[in-house]
Amino acid sequence: DGGITQSPKYLFRKEGQNVTLSCEQNLNHDAMYWYRQDPGQGLRLIYYSQIVNDFQKGDIAEGYSVSREKKESFPLTVTSAQKNPTAFYLCASRGTGTGVIGELFFGEGSRLTVL
Amino acid sequence: GQQLNQSPQSMFIQEGEDVSMNCTSSSIFNTWLWYKQDPGEGPVLLIALYKAGELTSNGRLTAQFGITRKDSFLNISASIPSDVGIYFCAGIYPGSSNTGKLIFGQGTTLQVKP
Repeated sequence: DGGITQSPKYLFRKEGQNVTLSCEQNLNHDAMYWYRQDPGQGLRLIYYSQIVNDFQKGDIAEGYSVSREKKESFPLTVTSAQKNPTAFYLCASRGTGTGVIGELFFGEGSRLTVL
Repeated sequence: GQQLNQSPQSMFIQEGEDVSMNCTSSSIFNTWLWYKQDPGEGPVLLIALYKAGELTSNGRLTAQFGITRKDSFLNISASIPSDVGIYFCAGIYPGSSNTGKLIFGQGTTLQVKP
């Protein structure tokens, strides 16, 4: 089945450690996104990429890094510089040229807890 | 970054009741969308709106694109237990359609009592 796969679903990390969240899609979508979800704050954009080897900062990029070496993959690294990393992280993708304008396809999310 | 103001934050209703929620912004949007997130899942698109004044239905759901282009409404009629979840509004600024960058509201958490 086509879709977006995020892993791991749950992750625990000690303070000061970097952690990388995986996001893979087989929808042949050009654009991919990372959102952070906190209770009562909705979804906030961290980074996005419209094409391979290119990505842009979103509204809350500080303390995060990404890469886009392959069309299918858009991993997110939460660095030790991120002051409040405990959150639910959602990856999404979007097709260009066809389909509903504005429709993002989301993965099931990764819940990161910093101990 | 700007966020949309979505209300109410949460609702606890009886099965069979109708539900209304809305989203407002200080800026205009040229696209409004409504997503639903089931517990432990990612959001899924329910309805997309592209023109001011547009009224669109999807089963028991009806959404409207406000005339001022600064607000949108979602109504759910005759709620059922599987309507439980978080509902998000989202908008696209004029000129941002190519990037697909969405601005999300804070979400409305809906609980339905059987």
